[in-house]
Amino acid sequence: DAGVTQSPTHLIKTRGQQVTLRCSPISGHKSVSWYQQVLGQGPQFIFQYYEKEERGRGNFPDRFSARQFPNYSSELNVNALLLGDSALYLCASSLGTDGGNEQFFGPGTRLTVL
Amino acid sequence: TQLLEQSPQFLSIQEGENLTVYCNSSSVFSSLQWYRQEPGEGPVLLVTVVTGGEVKKLKRLTFQFGDARKDSSLHITAAQPGDTGLYLCAGKRYSSASKIIFGSGTRLSIRP
Repeated sequence: DAGVTQSPTHLIKTRGQQVTLRCSPISGHKSVSWYQQVLGQGPQFIFQYYEKEERGRGNFPDRFSARQFPNYSSELNVNALLLGDSALYLCASSLGTDGGNEQFFGPGTRLTVL
Repeated sequence: TQLLEQSPQFLSIQEGENLTVYCNSSSVFSSLQWYRQEPGEGPVLLVTVVTGGEVKKLKRLTFQFGDARKDSSLHITAAQPGDTGLYLCAGKRYSSASKIIFGSGTRLSIRP
């Protein structure tokens, strides 16, 4: 079975631009979470979606938004990009939102903002 | 300020040696997880501990959750080059079950 897939793998943008990152969860998984991992640090929680509804939000500005589609895939949008948005963006899927559900991570999208 | 502090940040040891990585917080967690991340990949779950004082073993890896549920440790016996990677602890708090908080990570390098 395919794992979590993310696209694109790498992306280069300039300050002020907008970007959309995509994530396809493992088949049967209904929850998708997004994380930002800056070089040299651990991942930071951005959003969790379950059944197309936002179930959790981290401390990120309103420039960050996300949505989940009926097929449980998800998109993360970042507007008005800043240099500090350069990071590895990770998507993780799980069966549900229960604490016992294991999260499976995708390989990430490496975003570079120039 | 990191809610979960990991130490050391970097560790380079010889194959066959033992090592311990620590994950500490002033907050209480309902559960704590350890992940390993390799370059170009997402983190992979190694273990979840949920009970204060719990000890779990995974081959040469031993994980412990502190009695007060505020800290955890990962001990590796007879380290091998394949153990090289970034080790991350991550916790869930009772007040926000959907939000997983990651530590800053320990980068481990095992020299043959």
